[in-house]
Amino acid sequence: QKEVEQDPGPLSVPEGAIVSLNCTYSNSAFQYFMWYRQYSRKGPELLMYTYSSGNKEDGRFTAQVDKSSKYISLFIRDSQPSDSATYLCAMSASGANSKLTFGKGITLSVRP
Amino acid sequence: GAVVSQHPSWVICKSGTSVKIECRSLDFQATTMFWYRQFPKQSLMLMATSNEGSKATYEQGVEKDKFLINHASLTLSTLTVTSAHPEDSSFYICSAPMGGGSDTQYFGPGTRLTVL
Repeated sequence: QKEVEQDPGPLSVPEGAIVSLNCTYSNSAFQYFMWYRQYSRKGPELLMYTYSSGNKEDGRFTAQVDKSSKYISLFIRDSQPSDSATYLCAMSASGANSKLTFGKGITLSVRP
Repeated sequence: GAVVSQHPSWVICKSGTSVKIECRSLDFQATTMFWYRQFPKQSLMLMATSNEGSKATYEQGVEKDKFLINHASLTLSTLTVTSAHPEDSSFYICSAPMGGGSDTQYFGPGTRLTVL
């Protein structure tokens, strides 16, 4: 079993839809949870960062962490064509500024 | 603007040659940098942790003699792929934590290596 599993894609939704992206993990030592967005042939950029369990909201994005279930989610409201990218979950036991374990990534396409 | 740069952004080389990739932190010092590799439609896999002033720490299965890492200064780390082969063709990405209590680390734009 991989340390981090991410829902396979690709995912295609119409503009305005609510998007739900999920990851599960097996390492109970993970305490720092991040979502990165990556455009083709570019480095990842940080979208959301959460420490331990709970919810965090930033504009159209909401990150949820359920440590008891070892499950994290990213919700995108009112999705836009500009949200089309690959989304990667990442986790760390030592901190968001430490080495990260990534999920495989899911490619999202938002249709106008 | 980008806070971590990489050079070159892409490189094509012949099998058996060595290729050096630079990772620079802009406007901040990074005592630690991370090197990742990403194959097509795969996730980023950590290769090694680059430490300024000391030896790099390699992840299991990564050949230290093949992937030479030098953290020459607080703003520069280099990855040299020695005697490159086609199976080394990949997207190499570095990241640098901002430090100073920040929880943020920034990723470079990546370097596409193609070995013929």
